[in-house]
Amino acid sequence: EVQLLESGGGLVQPGGSLRLSCAASGFSFRNYVMNWVRQAPGKGLEWVSGISGSGGSTYYADSVRGRFTISRDTSKNTVFLQMNSLRADDTAVYYCAKSDSSNYYGYFDYWGQGTLVTVSS
Amino acid sequence: EIVLTQSPGTLSLSPGERATLSCRPSHTVSSSYLAWYQQKPGQAPRFLISGASNRATGIPDRFSGSGSGTEFTLTISRLEPEDFAVYYCQQYGSSPLTFGGGTKVEIK
Repeated sequence: EVQLLESGGGLVQPGGSLRLSCAASGFSFRNYVMNWVRQAPGKGLEWVSGISGSGGSTYYADSVRGRFTISRDTSKNTVFLQMNSLRADDTAVYYCAKSDSSNYYGYFDYWGQGTLVTVSS
Repeated sequence: EIVLTQSPGTLSLSPGERATLSCRPSHTVSSSYLAWYQQKPGQAPRFLISGASNRATGIPDRFSGSGSGTEFTLTISRLEPEDFAVYYCQQYGSSPLTFGGGTKVEIK
């Protein structure tokens, strides 16, 4: 059974930093692109970032490029999202989502339960 | 960037009725790389359909997807109580990956 378990969310001041983690199990972790997708309160879904199975390729939405960094530790089956220079409009539930393939161009066949990030003073 | 426009914003129907949800991309979605998801309050999205029409494992056959290019449809043939939720389409044929704004299917 595929499981994705996010952690690391919380309250942070504008301009601050936070690191999210997603522990994965139940599939061959290194064979799939892993992603972060967020959902602001009462809003729709927004893809944020993705990383290839090897970690050698990373992808970002324009809204977070230069501020967020995605990485993965294949030995621990974990993907991370380092979020710097946080703004109020980064407030959202952040979901870890597994891609269906090793290709960036994929859909999201499994999702974690999400972790809430609140940026506020 | 491909913008996905979903309509209607809200669909008010009764159990047993048919639901037809639309997703219109601003540009052609290549190879029908379009997926659908269901989300209930307080829950993560659930993957329903890929490739415009291929149901995920375990998804009931009352859910069906169709379309190509710039017009896609999700149909729920007979609404069950557990189907009342928000539905999102997503394209994965072009960078960046994008979602539609969602259609809420509510009980009339």
